[in-house]
Amino acid sequence: QQQVKQSPQSLIVQKGGISIINCAYENTAFDYFPWYQQFPGKGPALLIAIRPDVSEKKEGRFTISFNKSAKQFSLHIMDSQPGDSATYFCAASDGTTSGTYKYIFGTGTRLKVLA
Amino acid sequence: KAGVTQTPRYLIKTRGQQVTLSCSPISGHRSVSWYQQTPGQGLQFLFEYFSETQRNKGNFPGRFSGRQFSNSRSEMNVSTLELGDSALYLCASRRSAGANVLTFGAGSRLTVL
Repeated sequence: QQQVKQSPQSLIVQKGGISIINCAYENTAFDYFPWYQQFPGKGPALLIAIRPDVSEKKEGRFTISFNKSAKQFSLHIMDSQPGDSATYFCAASDGTTSGTYKYIFGTGTRLKVLA
Repeated sequence: KAGVTQTPRYLIKTRGQQVTLSCSPISGHRSVSWYQQTPGQGLQFLFEYFSETQRNKGNFPGRFSGRQFSNSRSEMNVSTLELGDSALYLCASRRSAGANVLTFGAGSRLTVL
């Protein structure tokens, strides 16, 4: 119940295309859903995050779509660029309920955008 | 503003040895978490410290331990190293135990031979 399942494991997209990464969770107590981006040799960095009271959040070319009833959320990268090539992790946190704000991460998606 | 600093960045050990990794959080951040990153497993939570107290612990054997000092700096120790301990160990800090945003360091790459 604490797992966050992420797919696909890897993704290849042409420059200018749309990259879509999906995550699913079981624990309805999760109340914060961030996406982290990691470049080789670097630690993950927060990209965008959403709370379950909204269905979509957009920041530039990055959009999170959230489906509370299906317990799924996804990251959409519009007009994908070679510089977006990185590993992406979804995560979920249940701070409000547990007070611990413990993070559960997905297994990651390695995105490669072809020039 | 300096980010999260982890040392050493790379290290090689042999089976049976022990290792200590260090993490200096962002100034003002009092919570430090440790994660193990391996291919296919993603980020596995090890433990979190806040104000020198362990608040959360993941499902790792007792060979993995940590501590936090009064200046919020943290160390993690792995004893009796196994080949499977080879991984990138990431430290993340946040302002308080109730803050949402984690800021990660670049990690310490451990190779066990």
